[in-house]
Amino acid sequence: LAKTTQPISMDSYEGQEVNITCSHNNIATNDYITWYQQFPSQGPRFIIQGYKTKVTNEVASLFIPADRKSSTLSLPRVSLSDTAVYYCLVALRDTGRRALTFGSGTRLQVQP
Amino acid sequence: GAGVSQTPSNKVTEKGKYVELRCDPISGHTALYWYRQSLGQGPEFLIYFQGTGAADDSGLPNDRFFAVRPEGSVSTLKIQRTERGDSAVYLCASSPGLGTGELFFGEGSRLTVL
Repeated sequence: LAKTTQPISMDSYEGQEVNITCSHNNIATNDYITWYQQFPSQGPRFIIQGYKTKVTNEVASLFIPADRKSSTLSLPRVSLSDTAVYYCLVALRDTGRRALTFGSGTRLQVQP
Repeated sequence: GAGVSQTPSNKVTEKGKYVELRCDPISGHTALYWYRQSLGQGPEFLIYFQGTGAADDSGLPNDRFFAVRPEGSVSTLKIQRTERGDSAVYLCASSPGLGTGELFFGEGSRLTVL
C-alpha cells in the first residue's frame, strides 16, 4: 500500500486559503488520491478525490502534479468550522478491491 | 435515517466481558467496513465486507475480534474477553461498492473497557 506523509498540524485564520500537501512517493498507476475531513466525535467525511491535474468541487480543490508523487488539498477562505483533521489517502478508486488506509492526518486549527 | 447508523453510541464494560457493536449501513450499499480509532490517531482498518463475505479481515488484531454480515446489510462486530486496550471508537462505513472511492461513515461506537 502506498504510504502517505502529511504535516501533523497547521494553523490558519478565517478568510485565508489553506493548502495541505501530502506526499505519496510510491503511488501506483491505478491509485487515486482521496481526502477526508473529520470533526471531533464524528466519522470521517469524504471531501474530494482525483487522479491527476486538478479537481474542484464546492468544498475544495485538489492539485496533483504530473508525477503524482504528491497532492495538495486547497481550502479557499477557511472559516472556524473548517477546524478539523484532514486525511490524505491513496488507494484504488475501486474500493471493492482494497481497503482504505488512513494515516494520522493533519490537524487544521482555524482562528478568528 | 439516510446515513450509516451505529449502536450503541457508547458502551462501558468490564475487562473480560463480551461486547457486540452493530452497524446499519446505507440501504443498497454492498461494501461495509469496520475501523477502530484511538484518541489522536487516524482510523485503523479492521475488516471489510463485500456483500455477506469478509473480503479482507487482515486488520483484525487477534482472534478475540470477529465480525459478521449474514444478510449483506447489517453487520455486527463482536469482541470476546475484552481488554482495556480495546477501548476506542469503533467506526463503521459503507460504500456503494465497485467503482467508487467514497466511504460513508457512521458516528461510531465508543467502547470503554474498565
